[in-house]
Amino acid sequence: KAGVTQTPRYLIKTRGQQVTLSCSPISGHRSVSWYQQTPGQGLQFLFEYFSETQRNKGNFPGRFSGRQFSNSRSEMNVSTLELGDSALYLCASSLEAQGARGYTFGSGTRLTVV
Amino acid sequence: DQQVKQNSPSLSVQEGRISILNCDYTNSMFDYFLWYKKYPAEGPTFLISISSIKDKNEDGRFTVFLNKSAKHLSLHIVPSQPGDSAVYFCAASEMNRDDKIIFGKGTRLHILP
Repeated sequence: KAGVTQTPRYLIKTRGQQVTLSCSPISGHRSVSWYQQTPGQGLQFLFEYFSETQRNKGNFPGRFSGRQFSNSRSEMNVSTLELGDSALYLCASSLEAQGARGYTFGSGTRLTVV
Repeated sequence: DQQVKQNSPSLSVQEGRISILNCDYTNSMFDYFLWYKKYPAEGPTFLISISSIKDKNEDGRFTVFLNKSAKHLSLHIVPSQPGDSAVYFCAASEMNRDDKIIFGKGTRLHILP
């Protein structure tokens, strides 16, 4: 079966712009979580969506937002981009019953802010 | 406040020897621990996990040990192989709370020929 698909793979944006990243979970997975990976901070939790509702949120500013559609696909949006937002953004999907234990990660979107 | 800590950013081990990766945590409510492996340009892949009711879980060359009193877990890889060169993330979750995974910063393992 197809894995978790994240698009685009690479993105270069200018400070002040906004960006939208997309994540298509494994078929049948209804939970989607987003993480930010940076060299200094490792993997940091952004938010989790289940059945179009945000269930958990990490400690990120309001510039970071997301949503989930009825087909479980999820998008995350970052507005007013800052240089420090440059990172690998990872999406993970899981079956609801498995929760965090059943995470399958996508390959990520590498965002560079210049 | 970093709840999951991997204090060694990198580790080099000779091929065929044992690799030991360490992880400490501060939240005594964590009840499930996981190790993920990550290659460059790929997402992390699940390696092995352990519930807080156990102190050891083994899967082939990989064994995870949990010491709850010390809030410490370790991943043993034996024998180490070249394909084990990757970044290893320790992670923890609290099932009865929100179940989200908290990751450490990772340890880069280099297997030397």
